[in-house]
Amino acid sequence: GAGVSQSPRYKVAKRGQDVALRCDPISGHVSLFWYQQALGQGPEFLTYFQNEAQLDKSGLPSDRFFAERPEGSVSTLKIQRTQQEDSAVYLCASSLLSGSRGETQYFGPGTRLLVL
Amino acid sequence: AQSVTQPDIHITVSEGASLELRCNYSYGATPYLFWYVQSPGQGLQLLLKYFSGDTLVQGIKGFEAEFKRSQSSFNLRKPSVHWSDAAEYFCALSGSARQLTFGSGTQLTVLP
Repeated sequence: GAGVSQSPRYKVAKRGQDVALRCDPISGHVSLFWYQQALGQGPEFLTYFQNEAQLDKSGLPSDRFFAERPEGSVSTLKIQRTQQEDSAVYLCASSLLSGSRGETQYFGPGTRLLVL
Repeated sequence: AQSVTQPDIHITVSEGASLELRCNYSYGATPYLFWYVQSPGQGLQLLLKYFSGDTLVQGIKGFEAEFKRSQSSFNLRKPSVHWSDAAEYFCALSGSARQLTFGSGTQLTVLP
């Protein structure tokens, strides 16, 4: 079926504004990851879900970042009171099973966030 | 702690020439290693991965990579580069946790 999709593809926000980024994983995939990719850098882990359970949020940079996956499929990454340093591409990835070591993660095209 | 280093920020090769992209890792045990490619506006696409066994791994699009434990390296190679290979390449490691740890990437330019 279709791959991982993300929306919006581009988002411009004024500093202090709240934003919500959506991820639609591959149908049936149990695991979902969020990564942040700053300009000129590799992706960095933010958080991980197994079904609706958020099992690891150690990469979230501050309490302004919040992620949810209430029904175990679509996920939303919310950033409150955006700051300029939040400008980055936010990537979502899903994997079929438990997301264990070595399981292939399939990435979406990302949402490019620019905070002015 | 685990980390991935890609020493070359940018590489330029002529079409038809061979290619080698370097990747070094730091991890206390045998890691799971991956190479991904990212084209503008596209998501990361998996080229190949190494878990164990044969240290030479074949991937898609004619790419291969060799795991060398003694050098903590996992270099990506292609014998003949095509213009469509121009993109950014990321080496990644999966250690004790589920998430991937990425290098900072190597941008490949292919000259006609």
